[in-house]
Amino acid sequence: NAGVTQTPKFQVLKTGQSMTLQCAQDMNHNSMYWYRQDPGMGLRLIYYSASEGTTDKGEVPNGYNVSRLNKREFSLRLESAAPSQTSVYFCAGRTGAGEQYFGPGTRLTVT
Amino acid sequence: AQSVTQLDSQVPVFEEAPVELRCNYSSSVSVYLFWYVQYPNQGLQLLLKYLSGSTLVKGINGFEAEFNKSQTSFHLRKPSVHISDTAEYFCAVRMENFNKFYFGSGTKLNVKP
Repeated sequence: NAGVTQTPKFQVLKTGQSMTLQCAQDMNHNSMYWYRQDPGMGLRLIYYSASEGTTDKGEVPNGYNVSRLNKREFSLRLESAAPSQTSVYFCAGRTGAGEQYFGPGTRLTVT
Repeated sequence: AQSVTQLDSQVPVFEEAPVELRCNYSSSVSVYLFWYVQYPNQGLQLLLKYLSGSTLVKGINGFEAEFNKSQTSFHLRKPSVHISDTAEYFCAVRMENFNKFYFGSGTKLNVKP
């Protein structure tokens, strides 16, 4: 039982490049989330998926797209990376009881 | 609009001293409340949660929190901290029947010997 896994752990991109952050969970979560963490700002919600086949915008969706491929996988795509997207990205799944389980994070640097 | 306020960005404390990390929220509907801990270069780990029932909630590592509806607060406490409690702590809120979580900006607890 790996919980919530994220790949890659680290990534460096040049401005304008694209990439997809992968997230997978084996905890049978219905809801999954993508956050970014920046110093002094806590976690800000980018997108979430309440169930397989649905996605909704969070607080900071601009510049990102998501895909809920199946119940297990929820990917985050940056189509044209910008330096403002340098951050640590966390994926999380939610149990019915309410709490979220987080992955280990992806550190992304855009130069 | 939802908001979560953690007034203290940093809290220095000596080992074995008590500590309180403050969290206030704004909401016009019922909420679920959470505290998470983040150790350096790791993801967030649940410390404790309030969903319903008793307003005093006990969590892992000797932490507890009290939900105060009238003051819209959910402060985290520990009677005696250890060096290993040095980490960043986040308060989070989710409105009943909604999927979004709102996080505070975090409090860095620095336990000194």
